[in-house]
Amino acid sequence: QKEVEQNSGPLSVPEGAIASLNCTYSDRGSQSFFWYRQYSGKSPELIMSIYSNGDKEDGRFTAQLNKASQYVSLLIRDSQPSDSATYLCAGWGAAGNKLTFGGGTRVLVKP
Amino acid sequence: NAGVTQTPKFRILKIGQSMTLQCAQDMNHNYMYWYRQDPGMGLKLIYYSVGAGITDKGEVPNGYNVSRSTTEDFPLRLELAAPSQTSVYFCASSQGQGAGGYTFGSGTRLTVV
Repeated sequence: QKEVEQNSGPLSVPEGAIASLNCTYSDRGSQSFFWYRQYSGKSPELIMSIYSNGDKEDGRFTAQLNKASQYVSLLIRDSQPSDSATYLCAGWGAAGNKLTFGGGTRVLVKP
Repeated sequence: NAGVTQTPKFRILKIGQSMTLQCAQDMNHNYMYWYRQDPGMGLKLIYYSVGAGITDKGEVPNGYNVSRSTTEDFPLRLELAAPSQTSVYFCASSQGQGAGGYTFGSGTRLTVV
């Protein structure tokens, strides 16, 4: 069983709309979580980190963490075609020595 | 500040050849990682290291070896290359839990023919 689960998509979103990405995790010891964006043929790029329950906003991105429900989400407001990419959710495991990555959600923003 | 540097960017190997993928970081990170990513698939952890002289296997270590003699460098050795090792290889580093996520290198695209 994969420890971090994401819907693989593709999530198709009209330009200007909100893209909503979800991630669940099984390790209750996980403390901090990250969202990476990966363009095709490129390496993952860190776009958001969240360490405590609640929301964290950075520009058009909002990350949400609910440790009781073991749920992490990412909202992308005013989606642009340049947001078309695969988004990876990751969390530090209880052992604290490596991140566990989800399989990624592919997002397509259509003009 | 270069971050994580991987060399080479591209390489074609013949079956049975060996090579070393280089990874260096200049952020004084203790933790370093090697992943492979096959087309359309997720990241798979090959090996990782939590400090100089310490290495550990990930999900897919077979066919690979690593060493960590310095904090800065974490080379990945492929012995007897096989077509199944055709992939993109990413190196990453981190300060560890509580200090953020990973910084990734730009990757090495390896083809074994």
